Amino acid sequence: GAGVSQSPRYKVAKRGQDVALRCDPISGHVSLFWYQQALGQGPEFLTYFQNEAQLDKSGLPSDRFFAERPEGSVSTLKIQRTQQEDSAVYLCASSLAEARINYGYTFGSGTRLTVV
Amino acid sequence: QKEVEQDPGPLSVPEGAIVSLNCTYSNSAFQYFMWYRQYSRKGPELLMYTYSSGNKEDGRFTAQVDKSSKYISLFIRDSQPSDSATYLCAMTYSGNTPLVFGKGTRLSVIA
Repeated sequence: GAGVSQSPRYKVAKRGQDVALRCDPISGHVSLFWYQQALGQGPEFLTYFQNEAQLDKSGLPSDRFFAERPEGSVSTLKIQRTQQEDSAVYLCASSLAEARINYGYTFGSGTRLTVV
Repeated sequence: QKEVEQDPGPLSVPEGAIVSLNCTYSNSAFQYFMWYRQYSRKGPELLMYTYSSGNKEDGRFTAQVDKSSKYISLFIRDSQPSDSATYLCAMTYSGNTPLVFGKGTRLSVIA
């Protein structure tokens, strides 16, 4: 496709439920990033992939958060045992460049997760 | 204190006004500075990018970086209703570090 596609667009989860959020980056893009954006806040970095390798996961807030990109294209962010504080928009972005100069990459529209 | 501070607004201006948006930051190691625009329920899109100090102009948009004051600005000339969005500043240390965003300033341009 022409842009970064994320699904689902909206997800409501009961507290304690596991969720999986999907990101389809732009075809051929090497770098992929996940960000979390709480209401009224700027995006905060979660994790970074270069192809299938997860090079930085320093932003993942707890061991309940897990991300993968097994074939170097589609990525999944999984949250286990969701908590109310996990409610946020989860943004995925991709970039053609292999270098980790992460300006100018393309964001998806995000998945809005609400934990009730 | 957060690394990047940005007044969340909201800011409301009449069409045609000059808009000034700004951020301050605390870490002098930041070298790359960006402004993103985010429409409601969309992802951020890059507007302007500046390396180190200086000015950069692109159409109606001008970005300024003053590293001595740890202060960056975005100016929008002849503002249009289509400029109504949230504007996020972002910065990073080098090519090997993630972006750090401000909270965003919500702008409304009234026709």
